[in-house]
Amino acid sequence: EAGVAQSPRYKIIEKRQSVAFWCNPISGHATLYWYQQILGQGPKLLIQFQNNGVVDDSQLPKDRFSAERLKGVDSTLKIQPAKLEDSAVYLCASSLATGWAIYFGEGSWLTVV
Amino acid sequence: GIQVEQSPPDLILQEGANSTLRCNFSDSVNNLQWFHQNPWGQLINLFYIPSGTKQNGRLSATTVATERYSLLYISSSQTTDSGVYFCAVKMNRDDKIIFGKGTRLHILP
Repeated sequence: EAGVAQSPRYKIIEKRQSVAFWCNPISGHATLYWYQQILGQGPKLLIQFQNNGVVDDSQLPKDRFSAERLKGVDSTLKIQPAKLEDSAVYLCASSLATGWAIYFGEGSWLTVV
Repeated sequence: GIQVEQSPPDLILQEGANSTLRCNFSDSVNNLQWFHQNPWGQLINLFYIPSGTKQNGRLSATTVATERYSLLYISSSQTTDSGVYFCAVKMNRDDKIIFGKGTRLHILP
């Protein structure tokens, strides 16, 4: 069974530029999560989808971050414009449904210079 | 909000030693997972353990939900066990999954 796929793995951009990350969850998983992990810290939830609806986006900086999951499968996370403090690993995860075990992708490493 | 506290924050052991990592949580939960984050940053599922005890090779975990804690046991440590171990809990009252700050384990050869 294929795991959670993410791309790109690594990205370096200048501040004020934009970047987009893509995630393909495990087949059949209805719940999709985007986490931000800053070096030395635990993952922080940015947004949680149930199918194509948003369950929780309370910690998403909506002035610069946006995410969508239009068809209830793949998802895209965008940052525009990026700030230095956005340098982090962006982790996508999925689960069969809310409350079930979650599985993470390899992450997308972002460096903003 | 719910607090998830992991201890110890850092642990250095010699290869072959055993260790116990702890996760305390401040509210009732209906889901708890243990993850290992390897040096390349990937979070690997170890256990999905809302209650009871599970074992997988040299690793085992026990969750006592009524007393609000979980333990991860690593026996006969190997250098490949190095990394950060996270517990993550899902509260009963909503769908939020909260991560602890992790325990950084370093196994010396």
